[in-house]
Amino acid sequence: DIQLTQSPSFLSASVGDRVTITCRASQGISSYLAWYQQKPGKAPKLLIYAASTLQSGVPSRFSGSGSETEFTLTISSLQPEDFATYYCQQLNSYPRTFGQGTKVEIK
Amino acid sequence: QVQLQESGPGLVKPSQTLSLTCTVSGGSISSGNYYWSWIRQPAGKGLEWIGRIYPSGSTDYNPSLKSRVTISVDTSKNQFSLKLTSVTAADTAVYYCTREYNWNDCWGQGTLVTVSS
Repeated sequence: DIQLTQSPSFLSASVGDRVTITCRASQGISSYLAWYQQKPGKAPKLLIYAASTLQSGVPSRFSGSGSETEFTLTISSLQPEDFATYYCQQLNSYPRTFGQGTKVEIK
Repeated sequence: QVQLQESGPGLVKPSQTLSLTCTVSGGSISSGNYYWSWIRQPAGKGLEWIGRIYPSGSTDYNPSLKSRVTISVDTSKNQFSLKLTSVTAADTAVYYCTREYNWNDCWGQGTLVTVSS
């Protein structure tokens, strides 16, 4: 299985901060990576697919980059509604796997 | 806009079979090059991919669950289903059904299944 390691696992930040989350894959996955946002009690929501393509309706302060084994999700200016847990997922091979999650909390 | 809704028992006894159905509305389960997947999440933990099915019936399963999992599709009802046999407490989780292309863009709200006697 391809292992995805997110860092950090926990992030404390303020409104307006620039936030970067990293996802590292145990082997190359080309650009078959997606990012999701999950709020408590809710299903994950797709933010980014194909490593860097913004899902329709997602604010432009979210962006993704990377390929093969190293990927980043950046929030350019953190908003109150962005406090949530973020997951990366690889869709290059089976089984699909997820990172362990990064919880973004208010400082 | 496609919507997904999980349904099924919220409580299953150990060693029995967990059965869930996902109903797709707002579009045909057979249209587009989409797979239909199940993902689960134990309380306070991360996401685990269970498997997926194509409308033709072709399936892919997580090897860690493969011996216990069956995913099936009923295109006439616009539904797909999950069966997980011989459940234990470790199978207690919120189960999500999703639409997968090379990403999961549509998710059901999730349904909590508790395994307990």
